[in-house]
Order: sequence, then C-alpha cells, then structure tokens
Amino acid sequence: DAGITQSPRHKVTETGTPVTLRCHQTENHRYMYWYRQDPGHGLRLIHYSYGVKDTDKGEVSDGYSVSRSKTEDFLLTLESATSSQTSVYFCAIRLGTDTQYFGPGTRLTVL
Amino acid sequence: QQQVKQSPQSLIVQKGGIPIINCAYENTAFDYFPWYQQFPGKGPALLIAIRPDVSEKKEGRFTISFNKSAKQFSLHIMDSQPGDSATYFCAAYERNTGKLIFGQGTTLQVKP
Repeated sequence: DAGITQSPRHKVTETGTPVTLRCHQTENHRYMYWYRQDPGHGLRLIHYSYGVKDTDKGEVSDGYSVSRSKTEDFLLTLESATSSQTSVYFCAIRLGTDTQYFGPGTRLTVL
Repeated sequence: QQQVKQSPQSLIVQKGGIPIINCAYENTAFDYFPWYQQFPGKGPALLIAIRPDVSEKKEGRFTISFNKSAKQFSLHIMDSQPGDSATYFCAAYERNTGKLIFGQGTTLQVKP
C-alpha cells in the first residue's frame, strides 16, 4: 500500500457543510495526488502537490481546495459540499518519475 | 473530452478464457502506460506497465500489447481465473504535465 492511509474511510454529510479528507504517507514522497472515482469516468485528478505548500489544479478542481503544510499530509477540502461531490476519493503518491500508488479510498456521501 | 478511451465497459468470460481490454489515445506526449487492477472496496493497484519503445510486455498471465502507430494498447489475461474478477483501468502518463490520465474502466467477471 506504499505507506498511504486515508481518513476517514467513510463519511456521510449534508449539503452545504465543509468536509476535509486526509491523506497521510510515511515514506517522504514529494508528489501526492487526489482523485475522485465515479462510474463511467474512471479516476479523475482533482488536485496534486509537488512539495510542501506547492499545489496545482487537476481536471475537476472546482469546489475543492487542498493544503500541504508538511510532507506527509495532503488535505482535500470541500468548502461547501454538494450532492455532485458524492464519490469515492483516492489519494496517490508518485514513486520514481511516473508510477503512482493509491491509498484505500474514502467513500463520501453528500445528502 | 476523454483522452484515453477504454473498451469494453464490462466483460464476462469463462474460467480459462482470455479477456482482452482495449485502450486508445490521441496525445503523443503520453510516454508511459500502466494498467491498474481494482477489487471492490480497495484502491487501484498497479498491475503491469509498458513504455512505447516496446510492443509487448508480459508478467505472469498478464500481457500488454502496444501499437504505437495506431495509438492503441491492450491488456490480455491468459488462463483467466475467478480471482481475476475486478475492475481494470488503463492509464497514460503525460510527461509534459506529470499527470496520469485514466480510461473509464472495465469490469471483468470470470465465471467458474
């Protein structure tokens, strides 16, 4: 599992509430990623980080923000959750120049 | 716009059969093509990967065939087993941006 943990693993929340998902890695990898997985869409990149305080947008970044204040933690925040953000969220780290390894995922339901 | 197109969406084979999953891409900046296997409730796990300078790569029962001129690549699973039942994703790595672009996924069921 490349030393990646995600928390919480499951969350149910209501529309309009803020939600923060955490990705934690233990192996000091520089690159970290947040994806969402939805049927028929595969995995789509939300945001990624290439170092502490260095982040950039992915394909589906609207409604999401991220922060990385230390190497081991990459946080994904939904400022005001909407039902369209109901999904499974995966964190990944990059090993070497191109290979990514994924965490176990967080299933988020927005009612 | 789907940069990596994967087919079929779902696939059912009998044990011992050879399921084939196909992917196509347009972006010539892609230079690394991994396949991921995902079981229910788990994260995607890297299965096998290929670079465009080779036409085939085999690891155990899994083989990637790569056609650079056609911009297509495929995953073959030899002697498939019920334990291979999972969702498979192809992906392509874009060197310029450092991003991994995924296909839509294929759900494979191998019947005993």
